[in-house]
Amino acid sequence: QVQLVESGGGVVQPGKSLRLSCAASGFTFNRYVMHWVRHTPGKGLEWVAAVSSDGSTQYYADSVKGRFTISRDNSKNTQYLQMNRLTAEDTAVYYCLNGGWFDPWGQGTLVTVSS
Amino acid sequence: EIVLTQSPVTLSLSPGERATLSCRASQSISNYLAWYQHKPGQAPRLLIYDASNRATGIPARFSGSGSGTDFTLTISSLEPEDFAVYYCQQRTIWPPFTFGPGTTVDIK
Repeated sequence: QVQLVESGGGVVQPGKSLRLSCAASGFTFNRYVMHWVRHTPGKGLEWVAAVSSDGSTQYYADSVKGRFTISRDNSKNTQYLQMNRLTAEDTAVYYCLNGGWFDPWGQGTLVTVSS
Repeated sequence: EIVLTQSPVTLSLSPGERATLSCRASQSISNYLAWYQHKPGQAPRLLIYDASNRATGIPARFSGSGSGTDFTLTISSLEPEDFAVYYCQQRTIWPPFTFGPGTTVDIK
């Protein structure tokens, strides 16, 4: 079955960087658009970024454009989210998801931006 | 960008009661709408996709309806495990995918 395992979260100071990873299994990874979605108690669910199946095209929410970079390595069935110039507003649980409708969801990885 | 609005913000009901949640889109999204359930400390779960199709393993008490701009999620008879936050999401025109702000169903 589909499994998506996020990692790389942690506590980071404002202005610093962090890279999240997502290991995928149980489906043909290189056929699917991959996404990152985040959740905060105050704002709810927010779509963050997506990358095309071959990695050639990236899409971003306005709130992260220019600071975050999504990428993937189809040889490793893994996608990444490089997060730069982090702010407190980026504090959230980040989820890695595939395809059209988001199912299933992993446990996510918590990113806390705090001094 | 398509904006999704959910109402009510909070729905206070008792187990066994019927819950009706609304999601309205700022422009037509055909039937490209999904509903998710999110409980504290857990990952969100897909309930309904394409407006009215139950996802795998979702009980029959959950149903979705609507098309165009107005959508409804109905829980026919609330079970204790159904008290949670419910989000709608569209994927008609993206980026961005957009979610509604959520409706909290809590115990009266």
